[in-house]
Amino acid sequence: DVVMTQTPPSLSVAIGQSVSISCKSSQSLVYSDGKTYLHWLLQSSGRSPKRLIYQVSNLDSGVPDRFSGTGSQKDFTLKISRVEAKDLGVYYCAQTTHFPNTFGAGTKLELK
Amino acid sequence: EVQLVESGGGLVQPGRSLKLSCAASGFTFSNYYMAWVRQAPTKGLEWVAYISTGGGSTYYRDSVKGRFTISRDNAKSTLYLQMDSLRSEDTATYYCTTSAGAYWGQGTLVTVSS
Repeated sequence: DVVMTQTPPSLSVAIGQSVSISCKSSQSLVYSDGKTYLHWLLQSSGRSPKRLIYQVSNLDSGVPDRFSGTGSQKDFTLKISRVEAKDLGVYYCAQTTHFPNTFGAGTKLELK
Repeated sequence: EVQLVESGGGLVQPGRSLKLSCAASGFTFSNYYMAWVRQAPTKGLEWVAYISTGGGSTYYRDSVKGRFTISRDNAKSTLYLQMDSLRSEDTATYYCTTSAGAYWGQGTLVTVSS
């Protein structure tokens, strides 16, 4: 199985700060069609996960452009600029290139 | 508005069976690969099973192979997960989702305990 390694496991942030979360995969996530199926999700406390970014860098509908995703092959980053209170929760990277699909262990974003 | 509504969870004894359902609306269900993802209490997310658009291809994580069966009824826009021979380690909230995670249900809790 593809192992997704997310760092850091937790982040304490002040409102208005910017943060970055890293996600590294044990194999390249480039599929045979040339696309990279690496996504970022946020699970707020007590809620279902919500996808924010798909295929590395594409924002889902309604997601503010304070969120951005970059990376390629095996190394990916989620950046959140000007963190707001509603951004708090656990962030997961997920790959759907290879079966079985796998998630990172999560990064908990908390208020400082 | 897209909705995925799971049902069928509950408390069940080890070795028994349970069938989860997920009713979809607000999108063309038959066009999407679908999946079940679970989350054990205080743990992370884990893909359980997937099914192709027509239902002809299915995939399972190793720990549930031979015990769980994913299926779908495109006419009813409904996804299913038949869970047999349940174990305590299957205790989790089970989410219905499109295979790339675009849409998620609210989850249904399955507790396996004697």
